[in-house]
Amino acid sequence: KAGVTQTPRYLIKTRGQQVTLSCSPISGHRSVSWYQQTPGQGLQFLFEYFSETQRNKGNFPGRFSGRQFSNSRSEMNVSTLELGDSALYLCASTGQGYEQYFGPGTRLTVT
Amino acid sequence: KQEVTQIPAALSVPEGENLVLNCSFTDSAIYNLQWFRQDPGKGLTSLLLIQSSQREQTSGRLNASLDKSSGRSTLYIAASQPGDSATYLCAVIKGAVTGANSKLTFGKGITLSVRP
Repeated sequence: KAGVTQTPRYLIKTRGQQVTLSCSPISGHRSVSWYQQTPGQGLQFLFEYFSETQRNKGNFPGRFSGRQFSNSRSEMNVSTLELGDSALYLCASTGQGYEQYFGPGTRLTVT
Repeated sequence: KQEVTQIPAALSVPEGENLVLNCSFTDSAIYNLQWFRQDPGKGLTSLLLIQSSQREQTSGRLNASLDKSSGRSTLYIAASQPGDSATYLCAVIKGAVTGANSKLTFGKGITLSVRP
């Protein structure tokens, strides 16, 4: 079974721009969660989607949004990028017993 | 609010040593606890998952234990090797009457260096 895939792997954007990241979960998994990882804050939960509905949301501003498609693939969007949005963005799909499987991440650099 | 703590933040040991990594959490109402490994700049690799009803799980040289009542988990690594050098993170999922959700609360991780 293929693992969780994320595209692109690296992105460089300028302040004020917007960005869209993509995540394909493991086949058969219907839940996708997104996390932001920074050296200072560690791993922080952004949101979770299940069957195309946002089921859970972390404490991030409205500039961070997401969606899930009928094939369970998910995208997250960050609008009006700030320098502090530079981070590794990880997505995870949920398997048996709520075990989480993570993708390789997208490294976003905002200049 | 659930808080997960991993101390120390970094650890350096000689090859061959058996070691224990600690994780503590403040809210014992967890659904499960998961240990991950992260290599620099990479995603997270799941090592072990312990359901709240279990006491321990084993995989090869790794053994994880869970004491829900005291809010503690340990990851035991036997006969450490340089290839074990990585950051180890523990994370918990909150339990609920209606089941769990998929939100993980992470510790900050322990960066392990195994010296040849």
